[in-house]
Amino acid sequence: NAGVTQTPKFQVLKTGQSMTLQCAQDMNHNSMYWYRQDPGMGLRLIYYSASEGTTDKGEVPNGYNVSRLNKREFSLRLESAAPSQTSVYFCASLTGGAGLGGYTFGSGTRLTVV
Amino acid sequence: LAKTTQPISMDSYEGQEVNITCSHNNIATNDYITWYQQFPSQGPRFIIQGYKTKVTNEVASLFIPADRKSSTLSLPRVSLSDTAVYYCLVGDGKRDDKIIFGKGTRLHILP
Repeated sequence: NAGVTQTPKFQVLKTGQSMTLQCAQDMNHNSMYWYRQDPGMGLRLIYYSASEGTTDKGEVPNGYNVSRLNKREFSLRLESAAPSQTSVYFCASLTGGAGLGGYTFGSGTRLTVV
Repeated sequence: LAKTTQPISMDSYEGQEVNITCSHNNIATNDYITWYQQFPSQGPRFIIQGYKTKVTNEVASLFIPADRKSSTLSLPRVSLSDTAVYYCLVGDGKRDDKIIFGKGTRLHILP
């Protein structure tokens, strides 16, 4: 099925450990995004990539790095995880066209840092 | 990207019509108004999009006044399953790359 695939779905890390969250889309979208969502809160933009080879900071980029490996894949790396990074992480891609109705979200990665 | 303001939360009862208003005073000429719905533990999903006047689909209606500085999402005869967070976005989909969802409106439907 076409869409956005995130791996892993769940992860527990110890403080200071590193990990990479993977995201891939098969819809040939140019733009890809990483958001985090804390309990009871809205989505906050971490990083985004408007096209292959470009990445830009969002609202809360500190503590994260990203790589737009190719048009399909956009990964998010935590170099040294902290408890404040406990959250649900969503990857999304956006199709071009009029308006902002073309978002497709992945199912999320639930990350706990202890 | 035009800044939007919407209520943080709303409560309603099953069977009622729910209207959620979003303010976007600095909307640009080419901007559309788009609403997303998010259930717990899921990513947001598209509900409806409009440019002016009224748009209706099988899920909701979107009312946009002539000045386009606000919009109202209308959910007819809500049920418990409509309990979710609703986000209002304003943009043209071409020049906007830094898409910020904000806090949204947390709608709680009571039996």
